[in-house]
Parts: sequence; C-alpha cells; structure tokens
Amino acid sequence: EPEVTQTPSHQVTQMGQEVILRCVPISNHLYFYWYRQILGQKVEFLVSFYNNEISEKSEIFDDQFSVERPDGSNFTLKIRSTKLEDSAMYFCASSVADYGYTFGSGTRLTVV
Amino acid sequence: DAKTTQPPSMDCAEGRAANLPCNHSTISGNEYVYWYRQIHSQGPQYIIHGLKNNETNEMASLIITEDRKSSTLILPHATLRDTAVYYCIVRVNNDYKLSFGAGTTVTVRA
Repeated sequence: EPEVTQTPSHQVTQMGQEVILRCVPISNHLYFYWYRQILGQKVEFLVSFYNNEISEKSEIFDDQFSVERPDGSNFTLKIRSTKLEDSAMYFCASSVADYGYTFGSGTRLTVV
Repeated sequence: DAKTTQPPSMDCAEGRAANLPCNHSTISGNEYVYWYRQIHSQGPQYIIHGLKNNETNEMASLIITEDRKSSTLILPHATLRDTAVYYCIVRVNNDYKLSFGAGTTVTVRA
C-alpha cells in the first residue's frame, strides 16, 4: 500500500535554529498538508498546498513557517527560528482529491 | 467551536462489535461525516466517510441518522489492534483542512 514517508523520525534542535522537515507524498497525489500535534493535545491543521501554492493556512502558520515542493517528489516544512513551543509531532499528509488523506508517521521535533 | 461531540472513552471486548457514537447536530447539508483514527501517536488513518447514506468498507460501517444529526461508526469485529483514538469530523469536500477534536479513546480488551 502506498505510504507518505517523513524524515527524520525525530529531530532535536536548539531554540532559534532553523529546521526543515521532509515528506515524500504518495506519487499521484495532488494535495499536500502539514499538521502538528503537541504532546497530549489535538491534531492541528497548519497548511495545505495545491498546484504549487498554499491553498489554506491556519493562524499557527505564521511568518516563521514556510512550505516548499522543491522537486516532483518532496514536500518540506521549514521553521525559521524554532521556539520551545514548536516542540510537537509534525504530520505530513497527501490526497488525490480534497478528501481521504493519507498521513505519514510523523516527525517528532524537540526544541531545547 | 467543536462541530462534533464524542464520548471521551469506551471499552470493547475483542471479537465483539464496537459502536462509536458521534453527535453533529449543527451539520450543514453539504458537510460530510468523516472518521479517522490515531493509533498511539502515529499519523491519523482514514477510515470512512459519508454524506447521508450508510457506508461500508473493509474497515468499518458508518450509519448516519435520517436527520443527519448523529452517526455511528461500527467496527464489526474489534481486535486488539483497533485500540486507538477515533475522531469524528464534519467537513465540506472543498474545505482543505480537517478539524480534529479530542475524539474517543477506544480500548479493546482481550
């Protein structure tokens, strides 16, 4: 069964550093998303991406965040200057249409 | 501003059917009911969705009441691997995001 692949599975970074979280969506999918889940809290939508541009973003997705699809296979989330409160699981997802997402297994980001 | 209400937790015996309720009394005519689950902090997994007719797939059945104000997800023969948090989400199909609530923590016991 096709999978959404996320790397790394765990990233530790110092506060103020930039991090890039990487995702390889399913190859024929057209819609791409990032979500995050702070430990013990709900899964929260960050951003959706379609046709090489952001289609929707949440209030969480401020100027510190950016997304990119640098080539035909990768989809990245960059956090420019990490804060302690950015510590969370970050999930990438993709879908062939605007429903029936497939999520990756997540990257655990720990900011120290 | 949760659109759905689910019980926080429920237990189920292995091999028995698990019936997970969800209230969505303010659902609009163009909103679908989606179910996802999350097993132990893995990424959420799509289960099923429907508009007004009952739906069935290899994982589960979705029963939506005639007035669409509530629904039930049925896992026909629960296994230990079905232990997870189950999320009921209402969404229009051209809305890109999924809005997750707290869900129902389902524990399947041997």
